[in-house]
Amino acid sequence: DIQMTQSPSSLSASVGDRVTITCRASQSITKYLNWYQQKPGKAPKLLIYVASTLQSGVPSRFSAIGSGTDFTLTISSLQPEDLATYYCQQSYSFPQTFGQGTKLEIK
Amino acid sequence: EVQLLESGGGLVQPGGSLRLSCAASGFTFSSYSMSWVRQAPGKGLEWVSAISGSGTTTYYADSVKARFTISRDNPSNTLYLQMNSLRAEDTAVYYCANSRGTSSPKYNWFDPWGQGTLVTVSS
Repeated sequence: DIQMTQSPSSLSASVGDRVTITCRASQSITKYLNWYQQKPGKAPKLLIYVASTLQSGVPSRFSAIGSGTDFTLTISSLQPEDLATYYCQQSYSFPQTFGQGTKLEIK
Repeated sequence: EVQLLESGGGLVQPGGSLRLSCAASGFTFSSYSMSWVRQAPGKGLEWVSAISGSGTTTYYADSVKARFTISRDNPSNTLYLQMNSLRAEDTAVYYCANSRGTSSPKYNWFDPWGQGTLVTVSS
């Protein structure tokens, strides 16, 4: 199975800060990496697919890059509504696997 | 608008069975793969199972293989998850999700997700 490791597991940042979350795969997944946002008590929501494509309706402050084993999600200017847990997910092979999540708190 | 609505969750004893349903609307159901993803209380997301649009190809996580069966009824736009021999560690919110990107469940992404249904396995 492909292991997905996110870092950090949690972070606290201020409104307006630039925030970066990293996801590393245990083997190459080429470009098949997706990012989700899960707000407390809600279902996950797709942010980014195939490594860097912004899902329709997602604010442009969210962006992502990466290929192979290393991927990054960036929030350019943190907003209060970005309070959530963020997950990466690989769809390169089965079983599809998620990272353990990064809990983002607002200072 | 694409909508997914899960049902069928509840309290079941260890060793028992439960069938989850996911009613889909707003898209051509048979054209898309579908998946189940679960989340244990306070934990992260775990992919459980996927099925192709035609229903002929299925995939399972090792943790549920031989106990869970995914299926679909395309005429009624409904996805199912039959769960047998349930264990305490199966306790979770179960989400159905539309697999987008390709006709296969592979190389895809989940969008949208249903609101989830809670399964509790306890005596």
